[in-house]
Amino acid sequence: QSVLTQPPSVSAAPGQKVTISCSGSSSNIGDNYVSWYQQLPGTAPKLLIYDNNKRPSGIPDRFSGFESGTSATLGITGLQTGDEADYYCGTWDSSLSAVVFGGGTKLTVL
Amino acid sequence: EVQLLESGGGLVQPGGSLRLSCAASGFSFSSYGMSWVRQSQGKGLEWVSGISGSGGSSDYADSVKGRFTISRDNSKNTLYLQMNSLRAEDTAVYYCAKGNQVLYRSYFDYWGQGTLVTVSS
Repeated sequence: QSVLTQPPSVSAAPGQKVTISCSGSSSNIGDNYVSWYQQLPGTAPKLLIYDNNKRPSGIPDRFSGFESGTSATLGITGLQTGDEADYYCGTWDSSLSAVVFGGGTKLTVL
Repeated sequence: EVQLLESGGGLVQPGGSLRLSCAASGFSFSSYGMSWVRQSQGKGLEWVSGISGSGGSSDYADSVKGRFTISRDNSKNTLYLQMNSLRAEDTAVYYCAKGNQVLYRSYFDYWGQGTLVTVSS
């Protein structure tokens, strides 16, 4: 059971938009910045979003992040087949003194 | 270019020990916190342990506390994870991950390719 809650899967057609939610509590999302990671099949995770809504260099603006209270959302527009991957949210939990992740969401581009 | 190269994984019997290493290059190693994150087959990411840039502070997930020890040698730009009293549930790919600040309570901007640890008799 993960500390952060994500839907197990989402799907959408190429070119469409999808959102992935990440729900936490006052000791994690409510108190610290959220990051998002993309894990393509058979590869290591890659940073997509940091500090709730910032994109590292090289990440297209099709990817966006939003945070409100104890929840965060990853948005992906203009879906491509290459976006099929597992997506994880993560943050620091001030009560646990640990980095916590969501259980991951598998994105299928139909 | 930032590179993180893990090594030391392998097959070990329950109750055994293993030491993982992560050789870092392309950045000022001592200026950044580092962490180990693991992933069991078909499962999600689990943070294992983190250490500050100086090595002066560290934290562990409850699942490994008292069994695993994280350390670093800044003169060798290398991160370590000493794993003792290994259990079947420790079987996973272990990733080395770089933090974005001197403390480890941050996001991870670079990840290694991972090293597989299998605990089985």
